[in-house]
Amino acid sequence: DSGVTQTPKHLITATGQRVTLRCSPRSGDLSVYWYQQSLDQGLQFLIQYYNGEERAKGNILERFSAQQFPDLHSELNLSSLELGDSALYFCASSVQPSGELFFGEGSRLTVL
Amino acid sequence: QQQVKQSPQSLIVQKGGISIINCAYENTAFDYFPWYQQFPGKGPALLIAIRPDVSEKKEGRFTISFNKSAKQFSLHIMDSQPGDSATYFCAASGSNYQLIWGAGTKLIIKP
Repeated sequence: DSGVTQTPKHLITATGQRVTLRCSPRSGDLSVYWYQQSLDQGLQFLIQYYNGEERAKGNILERFSAQQFPDLHSELNLSSLELGDSALYFCASSVQPSGELFFGEGSRLTVL
Repeated sequence: QQQVKQSPQSLIVQKGGISIINCAYENTAFDYFPWYQQFPGKGPALLIAIRPDVSEKKEGRFTISFNKSAKQFSLHIMDSQPGDSATYFCAASGSNYQLIWGAGTKLIIKP
């Protein structure tokens, strides 16, 4: 158990809908990262927050947004969903910006 | 220049054999090279990492070999076991700590 909690674990929705994925980092970790992993694909970095501020942005679509709240939990909002958005979405955390990340078990999103 | 190239894409090794996964990078500013292990349905987990001031790091059956001049690093799994079957990702980062990921290697250990 990495200590990173992601909810929901599974989510099935329809095209055009909006969903919110939630992440609670490890206790004491200030940095949160979001990744997308499509079926049998690699890890695509979406966005990173550090202590409530956006720190780095990767290949995140304009339809997607995220934020980190004062209690350090983070949410990833996905809107106008398309079939191609079906993927595993991972949250990871670290004490500070670091290459040593602790990943949650992911939220599996299926868009029908 | 930001890419990390990982090979092979998939690998099948007999139980007890040596599994070798290779990665190459271009950015000489990278100074941290981790390997992550991911089991099906789970998130990646840090397995072992190396910095360029050493050429090799060993933790149990897992060894990273690092060749700074060739800009290559590799993961060796000795005495490979069925429980090692997973997807392995190499990565690299520099002073900004932004990880650049390899594409992953799906490793299958045959009993």
